[in-house]
Amino acid sequence: EPEVTQTPSHQVTQMGQEVILRCVPISNHLYFYWYRQILGQKVEFLVSFYNNEISEKSEIFDDQFSVERPDGSNFTLKIRSTKLEDSAMYFCASGGLRDTGELFFGEGSRLTVL
Amino acid sequence: AQSVAQPEDQVNVAEGNPLTVKCTYSVSGNPYLFWYVQYPNRGLQFLLKYITGDNLVKGSYGFEAEFNKSQTSFHLKKPSALVSDSALYFCAVRDGQFGTGGFKTIFGAGTRLFVKA
Repeated sequence: EPEVTQTPSHQVTQMGQEVILRCVPISNHLYFYWYRQILGQKVEFLVSFYNNEISEKSEIFDDQFSVERPDGSNFTLKIRSTKLEDSAMYFCASGGLRDTGELFFGEGSRLTVL
Repeated sequence: AQSVAQPEDQVNVAEGNPLTVKCTYSVSGNPYLFWYVQYPNRGLQFLLKYITGDNLVKGSYGFEAEFNKSQTSFHLKKPSALVSDSALYFCAVRDGQFGTGGFKTIFGAGTRLFVKA
């Protein structure tokens, strides 16, 4: 069964460093998303991406965050200068060809900022 | 803007008993409603959805949910709980169709379900 894969599974970084989280969505999907979850609690929307551009972003997704799909398969989230409060589990998700609505999530990348 | 509320942080039920996990929502257009489940240290898994049609929708693992427009609710139910159903359950809503605010799916705070043997 096709799945969304994310790397790394866990990254530890120092405050102020740049981090790139990578995702390979399901191959024929067209809609891509990043969410984050802090301490196993609420799942927060960060950004949606469609047709090679950001469709919508939340107030969390400030100038320190960026996304791109450089090669038609990978979908990356970059945090330019990490803060302590960026520590969270980051989930990539993709949505199907006909936008039936449901999202398919990866297993997540745990980011720890020290 | 859409919103979703799960009024219970935790639901406890004995194995074999019916379970209900509550969800209410607010949207300006037609709601797309979803339930997801998260097991420890895993990603979210889609359980079921309501977009249109029959108010009672059936999903994976014997779960079902009932859409109630007048009460703006979408409660998750299962007739007979299993210990293996213990997990974190998220209700989610999307406001309308793709391209009219439909890019963003918002999740509730989650309800932890404990099923005791």
